[in-house]
Amino acid sequence: DAGITQSPRHKVTETGTPVTLRCHQTENHRYMYWYRQDPGHGLRLIHYSYGVKDTDKGEVSDGYSVSRSKTEDFLLTLESATSSQTSVYFCAISEAGANYGYTFGSGTRLTVV
Amino acid sequence: SQKIEQNSEALNIQEGKTATLTCNYTNYSPAYLQWYRQDPGRGPVFLLLIRENEKEKRKERLKVTFDTTLKQSLFHITASQPADSATYLCALPYGNNRLAFGKGNQVVVIP
Repeated sequence: DAGITQSPRHKVTETGTPVTLRCHQTENHRYMYWYRQDPGHGLRLIHYSYGVKDTDKGEVSDGYSVSRSKTEDFLLTLESATSSQTSVYFCAISEAGANYGYTFGSGTRLTVV
Repeated sequence: SQKIEQNSEALNIQEGKTATLTCNYTNYSPAYLQWYRQDPGRGPVFLLLIRENEKEKRKERLKVTFDTTLKQSLFHITASQPADSATYLCALPYGNNRLAFGKGNQVVVIP
């Protein structure tokens, strides 16, 4: 997707290991979001950022942390991966928050074994 | 609790007909509502935003209505084409600049 890149695209990791997913944008947008998408649940907000070093929790933040040290990068860390964190993770960016359309990345498919 | 409801059953529709999807919500007082399209294996793509003072909004073959009294939005795809087959998500704002998404409604356009 134009202006937003997620890495890696796929990852398999073992239970108990830390994992970091990266979201990189070239749009200079202020807002960045991490969602997970699971069958039967839809998209659920994990964490979001409203500026450099400004972050807040979403509805499913337990077991996750984030960092945003510069405008273009928003990192999601699973501190100790569990099987329940097997999911597809999407990053989204927005110029001015929720009253603008979000631009989503292509997603990271994470499998915790 | 806040809820966004979309039909979990896929909508199968003949090419050329109008597909109509419903998004109902409870315990929200949104100033606007958004619709997204999602194809398998891809991230959602923003389609339309409609504000509470706009009863209807159009974009090409798409039409969205927003009734804050009924707490409902309708999403129409006119003259549907097989390329319109996808899952369509509605989204509502809550809290501080966050969006909550419905689970989506799949549309299958049959040639």
